[in-house]
Amino acid sequence: GIQVEQSPPDLILQEGANSTLRCNFSDSVNNLQWFHQNPWGQLINLFYIPSGTKQNGRLSATTVATERYSLLYISSSQTTDSGVYFCAVEVWDNQGGKLIFGQGTELSVKP
Amino acid sequence: KAGVTQTPRYLIKTRGQQVTLSCSPISGHRSVSWYQQTPGQGLQFLFEYFSETQRNKGNFPGRFSGRQFSNSRSEMNVSTLELGDSALYLCASSLGLSSGNTIYFGEGSWLTVV
Repeated sequence: GIQVEQSPPDLILQEGANSTLRCNFSDSVNNLQWFHQNPWGQLINLFYIPSGTKQNGRLSATTVATERYSLLYISSSQTTDSGVYFCAVEVWDNQGGKLIFGQGTELSVKP
Repeated sequence: KAGVTQTPRYLIKTRGQQVTLSCSPISGHRSVSWYQQTPGQGLQFLFEYFSETQRNKGNFPGRFSGRQFSNSRSEMNVSTLELGDSALYLCASSLGLSSGNTIYFGEGSWLTVV
């Protein structure tokens, strides 16, 4: 099956710093999404990005589907950005769809 | 509009017991899927329901089952609980069917098996 790898596994930043999180996937996928898991466990959808670049405030994401990777950029990080960031690829077959998640990047932003 | 609602949020069960978790999707969403999150295995797909039909199932034993009702609410059941079933169980809803629909997750149900 498809493998999804995220790097780095852990990241510690000072408030105000920028960071780049990477997601590699092993095969063609229908779509890719980035999520932020808050301290209460909820996964918040950040980007739905099969290809190209999207921006939302201090966050932006780029997916290069032909090279099977996606990047999540966080600029001017804040303590509220702390948590775990997951990328998930959307896989569809004749049975339906499902998300395959990477192992996540745990981000800690220090004041 | 209201988000995805999962109940209960926290529960503790004993080995051998069974548990039922509930998920109410966003109004109008007909697809509900379930995921298990553990420190060792990460986030893994359990199953997906659309219009009361299970369309897809992950690689979990038959002790894990689910269903969806006509109002799109879904329940998952785990029988004969094992210690390894301790996890965060997440429910997600979407409009379903075609790729391109944003998926929304609930806050999850934290299950501890002792």
